[in-house]
Amino acid sequence: DIQMTQSPSTLSASVGDRVTITCRASQSIGSWLAWYQQKPGKAPKLLVYLASSLQDGVPSRFSGSGSGTEFTLTISGLQPDDFATYYCQHYNNYPLSFGGGTKVEIK
Amino acid sequence: EVQLVESGGGLVQPGGALRLSCAASGFEFPTYWMTWVRQSPGKGLEWVANIKQDGTEKHYVDSVKGRFTISRDNAKNSLYLQINSLRAEDTAVYYCARRQWSLDYWGQGALVIVSS
Repeated sequence: DIQMTQSPSTLSASVGDRVTITCRASQSIGSWLAWYQQKPGKAPKLLVYLASSLQDGVPSRFSGSGSGTEFTLTISGLQPDDFATYYCQHYNNYPLSFGGGTKVEIK
Repeated sequence: EVQLVESGGGLVQPGGALRLSCAASGFEFPTYWMTWVRQSPGKGLEWVANIKQDGTEKHYVDSVKGRFTISRDNAKNSLYLQINSLRAEDTAVYYCARRQWSLDYWGQGALVIVSS
């Protein structure tokens, strides 16, 4: 089974900061990776698919990169609405799995 | 507008059973794989099961194999999750999601609490 490891688990940042979240896969998953944003009490929302493709309607300050085993989600110019928890997920094969999450907090 | 609405959650005793439903609208339901994902209180996301468009292919996480059954009724635009032999560790919010490789639309979730 493929394990997904996110870092950091918590990140403190200020509005306007550039923020980077890392996700590592235990084996190569090509570009079969998605990023989701989740706010308390709400369902996750797809931000990025195929490692670097932005979902329709997602602000361009979000970007994804990487392939193989190492991936990053970058938020360029953190906005108040971006304080949330972010998850990566591989869909290379079964079982699908998520990273443990990165909580982005207000500094 | 794509909508996924879960129902059927509640409080169940250990060893009990429950059937979750997910009503889909706003898209061609029979043409998509569908997925269940769960989230235990205060914890991360866990993929539970997937089902192919025509229901002929199903996949499960190991921890639910033999206890959970995913199914669908394309005529009713509905997805189901039959949960048997419930354990305390199955307590979670259960989300249905549309699978377009990644999970592009999610329902609001149904809370299942397993407790005596």
